[in-house]
Amino acid sequence: DVKVTQSSRYLVKRTGEKVFLECVQDMDHENMFWYRQDPGLGLRLIYFSYDVKMKEKGDIPEGYSVSREKKERFSLILESASTNQTSMYLCASSFPSGGAQETQYFGPGTRLLVL
Amino acid sequence: GENVEQHPSTLSVQEGDSAVIKCTYSDSASNYFPWYKQELGKRPQLIIDIRSNVGEKKDQRIAVTLNKTAKHFSLHITETQPEDSAVYFCAAREGGDYKLSFGAGTTVTVRA
Repeated sequence: DVKVTQSSRYLVKRTGEKVFLECVQDMDHENMFWYRQDPGLGLRLIYFSYDVKMKEKGDIPEGYSVSREKKERFSLILESASTNQTSMYLCASSFPSGGAQETQYFGPGTRLLVL
Repeated sequence: GENVEQHPSTLSVQEGDSAVIKCTYSDSASNYFPWYKQELGKRPQLIIDIRSNVGEKKDQRIAVTLNKTAKHFSLHITETQPEDSAVYFCAAREGGDYKLSFGAGTTVTVRA
């Protein structure tokens, strides 16, 4: 059974704080993704990684950075949190695209409130 | 990049009736189209997907159809049940790309 876990379900931070969100998967997936989910906007891709130490910007990377030092772990970093980063953050992982098993599996999400 | 539009944003159906959600995509190179279901407070989960070499796919009460010429694909749920109440997201992936582009979501409510 695929398991994708996220370090926190809920977080409350102050404006200007540095925030770390961590995602761990146990399926040996090459691809990992960070999305934010806002009502009426669907799932928007922030960053993704297709291998250790590899990263690519998604559609809304501004204000975020990522780190992937190990295959199973993908971290999202908010260098200086702002109120407009209040959102639900979802991590996902998958095997390489194009294969029969390219389904993305999602973590439970982290609801971040920036005050 | 790919742009996916999803309609309607909300859908209310009587239990036992059918529900249809439609999505359009912009890039003719897209070749993979998954549908995810997100129940309240839970994570999105894949319910069905279709590739561009197939026109229709069924799995029990759900089916997806793809019209490559018109660049749209639809999710059909028949004999709806209360457990079908959820937010449904369509997505599209460009051939050779890693990432999915998601629609804005459809909130489906099944009335008992």
